[in-house]
Amino acid sequence: AQTVTQSQPEMSVQEAETVTLSCTYDTSENNYYLFWYKQPPSRQMILVIRQEAYKQQNATENRFSVNFQKAAKSFSLKISDSQLGDTAMYFCAFMKLGNTPLVFGKGTRLSVIA
Amino acid sequence: NAGVTQTPKFRILKIGQSMTLQCTQDMNHNYMYWYRQDPGMGLKLIYYSVGAGITDKGEVPNGYNVSRSTTEDFPLRLELAAPSQTSVYFCASSPRGGGLFFGEGSRLTVL
Repeated sequence: AQTVTQSQPEMSVQEAETVTLSCTYDTSENNYYLFWYKQPPSRQMILVIRQEAYKQQNATENRFSVNFQKAAKSFSLKISDSQLGDTAMYFCAFMKLGNTPLVFGKGTRLSVIA
Repeated sequence: NAGVTQTPKFRILKIGQSMTLQCTQDMNHNYMYWYRQDPGMGLKLIYYSVGAGITDKGEVPNGYNVSRSTTEDFPLRLELAAPSQTSVYFCASSPRGGGLFFGEGSRLTVL
């Protein structure tokens, strides 16, 4: 079974600074998808970024980018120019091909400080 | 653009009562899921469906039932509610190969 590990329960960053959230996973699959989700205090789960394992290029979405290291089974999220609205829980998630259900990590609580 | 709609958003149940959490999506997604999120924890899969008429158990299915009679609807039924089922429940849907689109969640308290 796949597992997803987020080793940082809580992090904080100053506004406008850069922060990196860690995620590792365990799988025997060769092709799969990885995701980062954001859950602000409103509780809504929001898709931040998505990476296909067969793509070598790291995904980027505006201020959000990933460092995908397939051999190391690592998938970190970098948030640049942090904003107060980035304060949230961040979940890393794994999905095998075929739309099998996502497996989530336990989350990292990020606080952006003014 | 409704997306995934869950009702109710909040509910308090007494031990032993039953209820149904409703979930509907208007994106014509084949795949739908129910997760629960306990305080300070990640999401755990209860049940999922890959299409109308097909459902499968997830990691924590005990005490729950689902049905998928249409592409749009995926209700979750709680039978004989227990305090251990106090949680926030999320319904989600996805297109093939895509990420999940979540509803806003339903906070259930069993007293």
